Amino acid sequence: GENVEQHPSTLSVQEGDSAVIKCTYSDSASNYFPWYKQELGKRPQLIIDIRSNVGEKKDQRIAVTLNKTAKHFSLHITETQPEDSAVYFCAAGKFYFGSGTKLNVKP
Amino acid sequence: SQTIHQWPATLVQPVGSPLSLECTVEGTSNPNLYWYRQAAGRGLQLLFYSVGIGQISSEVPQNLSASRPQDRQFILSSKKLLLSDSGFYLCAWSVQDDQPQHFGDGTRLSIL
Repeated sequence: GENVEQHPSTLSVQEGDSAVIKCTYSDSASNYFPWYKQELGKRPQLIIDIRSNVGEKKDQRIAVTLNKTAKHFSLHITETQPEDSAVYFCAAGKFYFGSGTKLNVKP
Repeated sequence: SQTIHQWPATLVQPVGSPLSLECTVEGTSNPNLYWYRQAAGRGLQLLFYSVGIGQISSEVPQNLSASRPQDRQFILSSKKLLLSDSGFYLCAWSVQDDQPQHFGDGTRLSIL
């Protein structure tokens, strides 16, 4: 099956700075790459996704980039705010998730 | 609109007792359904996956089982719980493969 690796496991940034989370995957047949945000004790929620026919997608302060050749994709959050603090998960394929990145945005 | 209900929200069970967690989806037909387990501070591990009534795929061998008796109902069961079964269990649905998954609120299961 697919193997998804996510880095870093924790990330601390100052409010207003950018945050970048990276994921790699193993199955070249994967063509759907979502990102989920999970606040403490709550359900994961989709924040952005990208398909293999697109290299980059942006939604306000959030962007995702995909490099199919290298089999890696990244989440970029600009102008971070305290409410961005949460655990972020990448996923690839049908149901393979990364191990999560705990983002802490310091006011 | 579509909604997903998962219950109970929390559960404390003794070792060796049975388990039944239920998940139902409303507002859609023939969804893909998923059961995940999330250990504290860890990622999501897929337990079971279903594309239709009575069709269950298991990703990880364990003492858990799943059933889909109706199109929008997904049940996670165990005959005898182990200490290692503690965790946060999440049910999810999607329209089809390679589409966003929508998660329930989860069940926090503690085994004593």
